[in-house]
Amino acid sequence: DQQVKQNSPSLSVQEGRISILNCDYTNSMFDYFLWYKKYPAEGPTFLISISSIKDKNEDGRFTVFLNKSAKHLSLHIVPSQPGDSAVYFCAAKGNTGNQFYFGTGTSLTVIP
Amino acid sequence: ETGVTQTPRHLVMGMTNKKSLKCEQHLGHNAMYWYKQSAKKPLELMFVYNFKEQTENNSVPSRFSPECPNSSHLFLHLHTLQPEDSALYLCASSQDKGRVQPQHFGDGTRLSIL
Repeated sequence: DQQVKQNSPSLSVQEGRISILNCDYTNSMFDYFLWYKKYPAEGPTFLISISSIKDKNEDGRFTVFLNKSAKHLSLHIVPSQPGDSAVYFCAAKGNTGNQFYFGTGTSLTVIP
Repeated sequence: ETGVTQTPRHLVMGMTNKKSLKCEQHLGHNAMYWYKQSAKKPLELMFVYNFKEQTENNSVPSRFSPECPNSSHLFLHLHTLQPEDSALYLCASSQDKGRVQPQHFGDGTRLSIL
């Protein structure tokens, strides 16, 4: 059973507007969460992370929000740019072991 | 350039062939990982090596055999694969120092089994 879910396979947003990508998890032991971005024919690249002691982490145009009670995190990109068009994966990890659990990804298209 | 290099980028092989995938990281990391990505599925962790020692093996069939000769190199030896093994195989590395660090991925090997 998938422990990390991204229920929207795709999202289209106009350039300059906000992109919101969502991720849900089931395991309450997860305490570290990441977002990766993947272009075609390339491996995922790390974008931003958040630990469970925080509910928000910001890095430039990218902000990750964590709602532990809802077991939900989201990535906000504002303003969205055409170069942001990619597949975005969320991932989660518990406090033991090396295993990260990944979602299936959301394909973001930013329309110029 | 992510600092993690995978070769080959593409591989087509028959079910009776033996081949190897190679991964090299130039980041000084001490942990290395093999993942499998199939269409419409999340990345599946296959193996983890920490300081050259295998620490995770997620019930991977024995037709996949990992090898980690040192902290910079990781191999995945393939033998008698099945069509359902066709997928993108990603290698990653991270610095595991007790504090969680993000993983750095290579660009993957696209494997097709005939």
